[in-house]
Amino acid sequence: AQSVTQPDIHITVSEGASLELRCNYSYGATPYLFWYVQSPGQGLQLLLKYFSGDTLVQGIKGFEAEFKRSQSSFNLRKPSVHWSDAAEYFCAVGAGYGQNFVFGPGTRLSVLP
Amino acid sequence: DVKVTQSSRYLVKRTGEKVFLECVQDMDHENMFWYRQDPGLGLRLIYFSYDVKMKEKGDIPEGYSVSREKKERFSLILESASTNQTSMYLCASSSLVGARQETQYFGPGTRLLVL
Repeated sequence: AQSVTQPDIHITVSEGASLELRCNYSYGATPYLFWYVQSPGQGLQLLLKYFSGDTLVQGIKGFEAEFKRSQSSFNLRKPSVHWSDAAEYFCAVGAGYGQNFVFGPGTRLSVLP
Repeated sequence: DVKVTQSSRYLVKRTGEKVFLECVQDMDHENMFWYRQDPGLGLRLIYFSYDVKMKEKGDIPEGYSVSREKKERFSLILESASTNQTSMYLCASSSLVGARQETQYFGPGTRLLVL
């Protein structure tokens, strides 16, 4: 069965600083990987996804993520954080038919002015 | 754009009441899901459906049931609400492409308070 870990429960960065949110997964085959963002009181919005091909994927709002098979990781990055990026971020792994998404526990991002 | 709507953003119910949460998607997606989200526990899958009139239990189905009479609509039912069902409920939908389940799209959530 798939599993996802996000080692950091809460991260605080200053506005303008770079950001990296970690995600590690466990799955026997090539996974489908996703990052979602959730603003307070809202549903989840897709930031980016990886199915195959180029291991560096670009998403919305200036985010990118890199799939590293050897490390079973799919870390999310942004070169310069904006105050509006403060939210909770979820990594998820999906698989084939009959297998559902598994979400990580989430990382809450705070941004200092 | 995919749109997933949920019937209520906030709901207050009393213990023992029957509660209906409705979810509608407009993208002709085959799959629909109900999750609950609690602080420190992340998203937990309650039920999902891969087709009309079809349902499968997720990780925490106890105390819940679902109904999918039409492809676009997936209802979550709390037969007798209890205080431990106070939570944020999220609906999602996705399509199937070959053997791959595609991106899940989420509704805005319903925050349920059971008194």
